[in-house]
Amino acid sequence: AQKITQTQPGMFVQEKEAVTLDCTYDTSDPSYGLFWYKQPSSGEMIFLIYQGSYDQQNATEGRYSLNFQKARKSANLVISASQLGDSAMYFCAMRGNQGAQKLVFGQGTRLTINP
Amino acid sequence: NAGVMQNPRHLVRRRGQEARLRCSPMKGHSHVYWYRQLPEEGLKFMVYLQKENIIDESGMPKERFSAEFPKEGPSILRIQQVVRGDSAAYFCASSLNTGVNQPQHFGDGTRLSIL
Repeated sequence: AQKITQTQPGMFVQEKEAVTLDCTYDTSDPSYGLFWYKQPSSGEMIFLIYQGSYDQQNATEGRYSLNFQKARKSANLVISASQLGDSAMYFCAMRGNQGAQKLVFGQGTRLTINP
Repeated sequence: NAGVMQNPRHLVRRRGQEARLRCSPMKGHSHVYWYRQLPEEGLKFMVYLQKENIIDESGMPKERFSAEFPKEGPSILRIQQVVRGDSAAYFCASSLNTGVNQPQHFGDGTRLSIL
């Protein structure tokens, strides 16, 4: 079974600071993908970034980067130079290559950027 | 708009009525997934369909819930005899294929409220 744990229910950060959102995972699949999604107050789910279990380098997408530590089973999201529009819920999710093709989500972290 | 289209955006039903939620995947995507999100929680997998086939319905309640993805037309999530506990946001996602590196792209969701 796969499991995602996000231990930070809420985070408050000053605008322009960097922020790290924690995510740990558990799986027995040898190959898997890790994903981060953003859910603003309007409710839609926006795909941000992906990291593959065999990727040698940490993924980056603009101001988003993924701090992937395979031995620790962690895949933290780093947002650099935070903006007011970054205020939202952030979900870490994973997908294995065995059994169902579903995404397994964590409970989410509510990020608030203060001006 | 080439994204995943869900309708209606909001749906209000009285207890005992039927709810039908529609999802048109991204162009070229034949894999559809339905998820349910309760307030302040992450998304929970319900069912995975390919054209005309249910591949995995392990997250679907055994009674009152059904899903289909016909050869022509959108995928439908149907909830019969709705109860208060069915109030939630229901998200549809689609992907190009089932590789672990493939993100699932989400629609804006349907917010179902049961009176």
